[in-house]
Amino acid sequence: QKEVEQNSGPLSVPEGAIASLNCTYSDRGSQSFFWYRQYSGKSPELIMFIYSNGDKEDGRFTAQLNKASQYVSLLIRDSQPSDSATYLCAVYTQGGSEKLVFGKGMKLTVNP
Amino acid sequence: ETGVTQTPRHLVMGMTNKKSLKCEQHLGHNAMYWYKQSAKKPLELMFVYNFKEQTENNSVPSRFSPECPNSSHLFLHLHTLQPEDSALYLCASSHPGQGDNEQFFGPGTRLTVL
Repeated sequence: QKEVEQNSGPLSVPEGAIASLNCTYSDRGSQSFFWYRQYSGKSPELIMFIYSNGDKEDGRFTAQLNKASQYVSLLIRDSQPSDSATYLCAVYTQGGSEKLVFGKGMKLTVNP
Repeated sequence: ETGVTQTPRHLVMGMTNKKSLKCEQHLGHNAMYWYKQSAKKPLELMFVYNFKEQTENNSVPSRFSPECPNSSHLFLHLHTLQPEDSALYLCASSHPGQGDNEQFFGPGTRLTVL
């Protein structure tokens, strides 16, 4: 069973702080990694994807990937109340059954 | 707007009813997916269609019956559901093999089974 694990949370940070969200995965052959944001009552929307080891930055968001440790993280700098949502880590697995496997999600609250 | 639409947005049905959920994508993708999202559980993949062919059936009970008449449309036919089937049903689409395997989600159908 290919699994994706996220910290149980919830995570609460003050406005302006850095929020750090972490995710580990079990399938060492995974190639693509995604972070989705889901507001309450809404569907998931993609905010970042990463394939290569290292960091990928997009505005206030930075995704970090370490394939040796099977670890992917999302950093949100200068957190805003509008960042309050559930963040889902997803890993694209291949080999037999190609599909996106999601973690349970981490609820982030940014306090004004 | 992601280019993936779903109808209805909300559905309340009894256990003896038959209803269908509809999904349509306007992105030119060739793969479509049904997911179930229940409270405090990860997104559960139900079905995958690639070029209209079902490539994944994730041990879903037969009371859920998918239909994919073409690459742009996907249906989920529901019959004799149980209260525990109440959840948010999400449709997604993607273009596998085109680099990033990114999936775009529709707004979902909030289903309540009485």
